[in-house]
Amino acid sequence: KNQVEQSPQSLIILEGKNCTLQCNYTVSPFSNLRWYKQDTGRGPVSLTIMTFSENTKSNGRYTATLDADTKQSSLHITASQLSDSASYICVVFSGGYNKLIFGAGTRLAVHP
Amino acid sequence: GAGVSQSPSNKVTEKGKDVELRCDPISGHTALYWYRQSLGQGLEFLIYFQGNSAPDKSGLPSDRFSAERTGGSVSTLTIQRTQQEDSAVYLCASSLDGRYSNQPQHFGDGTRLSIL
Repeated sequence: KNQVEQSPQSLIILEGKNCTLQCNYTVSPFSNLRWYKQDTGRGPVSLTIMTFSENTKSNGRYTATLDADTKQSSLHITASQLSDSASYICVVFSGGYNKLIFGAGTRLAVHP
Repeated sequence: GAGVSQSPSNKVTEKGKDVELRCDPISGHTALYWYRQSLGQGLEFLIYFQGNSAPDKSGLPSDRFSAERTGGSVSTLTIQRTQQEDSAVYLCASSLDGRYSNQPQHFGDGTRLSIL
């Protein structure tokens, strides 16, 4: 069964600290993996899109990694800010828009 | 427009009523998508339009759900005879061309639907 599992479900960190969010997937075929940030009450915003051949991709303080062999991805946030408080969603694109598999998200809270 | 626009932002209605949700995609985007997001759940794919046609309607949960897109732009998602389990946030997204897998989707802020 195609699945995307994210951990932890929720996370609290102090402002200025780093954190890493995990995404494991069992999706085939694999086309690309996406990370989205979703603020409360807003739609998701794309952070990165990674294809099979890409191991690392950065977007400002966000760095995503992909290990296609172990089917794992991570999103690392450096020097967190209060505005990083949001849900982070991992999505695997599996060859068609009816086959976008969404994880349930990690809810991150950054406290001062 | 500058982004994907959805209306209404909130809708409260009684069970059994019909509702229409509207999505105005980014100008020039040929692909449009509808998703449903229930509390604590991942996004659930409903339907995808490339231009005015919908290659895949298999995500629609029942025949009470229908969607159309006219003029390659605005789309309407209609839910007939609403049930309480239809309560969710309905998100619309668009991208330049859905036939290319490496393009990001741009999401609207959704319509929060509550069925009493």
